[in-house]
Amino acid sequence: NAGVTQTPKFQVLKTGQSMTLQCAQDMNHEYMSWYRQDPGMGLRLIHYSVGAGITDQGEVPNGYNVSRSTTEDFPLRLLSAAPSQTSVYFCASRRQNTEAFFGQGTRLTVV
Amino acid sequence: EDQVTQSPEALRLQEGESSSLNCSYTVSGLRGLFWYRQDPGKGPEFLFTLYSAGEEKEKERLKATLTKKESFLHITAPKPEDSATYLCAVPNPQGGKLIFGQGTELSVKP
Repeated sequence: NAGVTQTPKFQVLKTGQSMTLQCAQDMNHEYMSWYRQDPGMGLRLIHYSVGAGITDQGEVPNGYNVSRSTTEDFPLRLLSAAPSQTSVYFCASRRQNTEAFFGQGTRLTVV
Repeated sequence: EDQVTQSPEALRLQEGESSSLNCSYTVSGLRGLFWYRQDPGKGPEFLFTLYSAGEEKEKERLKATLTKKESFLHITAPKPEDSATYLCAVPNPQGGKLIFGQGTELSVKP
């Protein structure tokens, strides 16, 4: 069972570059979310989606874009990378009012 | 404001020394409380779901309980392999977001 798949696992970007973090789930979950995790900060919600075509901002959305054209995929776009976006990024999916399943994370470094 | 607070931030135990982790929440209309375990460099791994006050769930050395204001994760006779960060989370009233606590970093020494 694939569950939630994130790619890439590691990435180094230069300041100002753009890139897309991919997230796919095969559980037919309506809800998908992106989090970033920094030391001492816990999991912070970037953007989330409650279904195809519907997205909303979390607590730290600036500098990130998302779209949800299919139930399975929820890519996260960094428009112009900044060193402050160096972090570990997690994608998660779930059904309403049930537990979330997480991907293995993408470790991003912006130099 | 919807909020989840975990305590302590860090806990050091000797192997076999039982203890409890706390997760307190302020959210109207609880729609579930979830416990996760996270190992370094990995994504959170789901442990338990609790839906109503008085409910308990057990798995090996872990038991989760729920009241109207908080949840406890009891660890009985822990082993070094139980060392990890433990997270709890609740959905916001609208259900779209999962609100996480900051986590408790547990270290069990042999």
